[in-house]
Amino acid sequence: EPEVTQTPSHQVTQMGQEVILRCVPISNHLYFYWYRQILGQKVEFLVSFYNNEISEKSEIFDDQFSVERPDGSNFTLKIRSTKLEDSAMYFCASSDGVQIYEQYFGPGTRLTVT
Amino acid sequence: LAKTTQPISMDSYEGQEVNITCSHNNIATNDYITWYQQFPSQGPRFIIQGYKTKVTNEVASLFIPADRKSSTLSLPRVSLSDTAVYYCLVGWDSNYQLIWGAGTKLIIKP
Repeated sequence: EPEVTQTPSHQVTQMGQEVILRCVPISNHLYFYWYRQILGQKVEFLVSFYNNEISEKSEIFDDQFSVERPDGSNFTLKIRSTKLEDSAMYFCASSDGVQIYEQYFGPGTRLTVT
Repeated sequence: LAKTTQPISMDSYEGQEVNITCSHNNIATNDYITWYQQFPSQGPRFIIQGYKTKVTNEVASLFIPADRKSSTLSLPRVSLSDTAVYYCLVGWDSNYQLIWGAGTKLIIKP
C-alpha cells in the first residue's frame, strides 16, 4: 500500500535556527498538507498546497513558515528562526483530490526546539 | 462550521463491540462525516466516511440517523491494538480544511 514518508523522524534544533522538514507524498496525489500537533493537543492545520502553490493557510502559517515542492516527489516545510513553542509533531498529508475528506498522513517529524 | 461533540474517553475490553457517538447538531446539508484514528506518536489514519444511513468497510461501520445530527462509529470485536484516539470530523473550516476536535481516547483492556 502506498504511503506518505517523512524525514527526519526526530529533529532537535536550537532556538533561532532554521529547520527543513521533508515529506514524500503518495505519487499520484495532487493535494499536499502540513499539520502540526503539540503534545497532547489537537491536530492543527498549517497549509495546503496544490498545483505548485499554496491553496490555503491557517493563521499559524505566518512568515516564519514556507513550503516548497522542489521536484516531482518531495514536499518540504521550512521553519525559520525556530522558537520554543514550535516544538511539536509535524505531519505531512496528501490526498488525490477526489475523495477530499480522505487524507493520507505520514508518520510525522517530532521537532524539539531547545 | 459544524461543531462536533464526542466523549473525551472510553474504556472497553477485547472482543467487545465499541460504539463511539459524535454529536453535530448544526451539520450543513453538504457536509460529510469523517472518522480518523490516531495511534500514539503516529499520524491520523482515515477510517470511514459517510453522508447518511449506514456505511461499512473492513475496519468499521458508521451509522447516521435521518436527521444527521449525530453519528456512531462502531468497531466490531476490538483488540488491544484498537487503543487510539478517534476523531469525528464534519464539514470544513473557513480555510476549507478539516475541523479537528479533541477526539475520543479509546482504551481497550485485556
